Amino acid sequence: QTVVTQEPSLTVSPGGTVTLTCASSTGAVTSGYYPNWFQQKPGQAPRALIYSTSNKHSWTPARFSGSLLGGKAALTLSGVQPEDEAEYYCLLYYGGARVFGGGTKLTVL
Amino acid sequence: EVQLVESGGGLVQPGGSLRLSCAASGFTVSSNYMSWVRQAPGKGLEWVSVIYSGGSTYYADSVKGRFTISRHNSKNTLYLQMNSLRAEDTAVYYCARDPGIAVAGDYWGQGTLVTVSS
Repeated sequence: QTVVTQEPSLTVSPGGTVTLTCASSTGAVTSGYYPNWFQQKPGQAPRALIYSTSNKHSWTPARFSGSLLGGKAALTLSGVQPEDEAEYYCLLYYGGARVFGGGTKLTVL
Repeated sequence: EVQLVESGGGLVQPGGSLRLSCAASGFTVSSNYMSWVRQAPGKGLEWVSVIYSGGSTYYADSVKGRFTISRHNSKNTLYLQMNSLRAEDTAVYYCARDPGIAVAGDYWGQGTLVTVSS
């Protein structure tokens, strides 16, 4: 049973910078896991932010960036805005299957 | 404009079956990878299944052998046949388009609620 682990919750001040991480129980996350990141706000469907580690969709704000950091996938928000308060999920690929992380609840306070 | 509209959710008894549909517009389902993702009430996202443009299918261990993903090309619709349903299958089910092998869920439907209860 593959497990993808994210921080359960993080708090950041408006204008600050925060990094969310995504770890795999199988070992270090590499580009071959094609990390994807999603944002979900209450009552809404998820919204894609980042694909294949660091690529942004056309609608992804510039303050969001993806990377690999210390054997994990990472999502960094720079210059956090109040509207960034949401749940964030990573998704990793394991061959044909995919697994979501448990999500990180980001509070902007 | 890309749109995905799920339907078919509802209340079903444990052990029962249900078929979800996801009607797509603005793109061709058979030319894309298409996924089902679910979210139990108050819980996180759980990937369920994917069908590749070539027809290959993959499933989460939790649904393997019970759920079947398929598509109807002329109707431009994705399906999820769910059999032997359990209480833990209760969730909002979303369909999503995966436009490439490394690109997941660029467009999502609004979701359809499946409740498994006696």
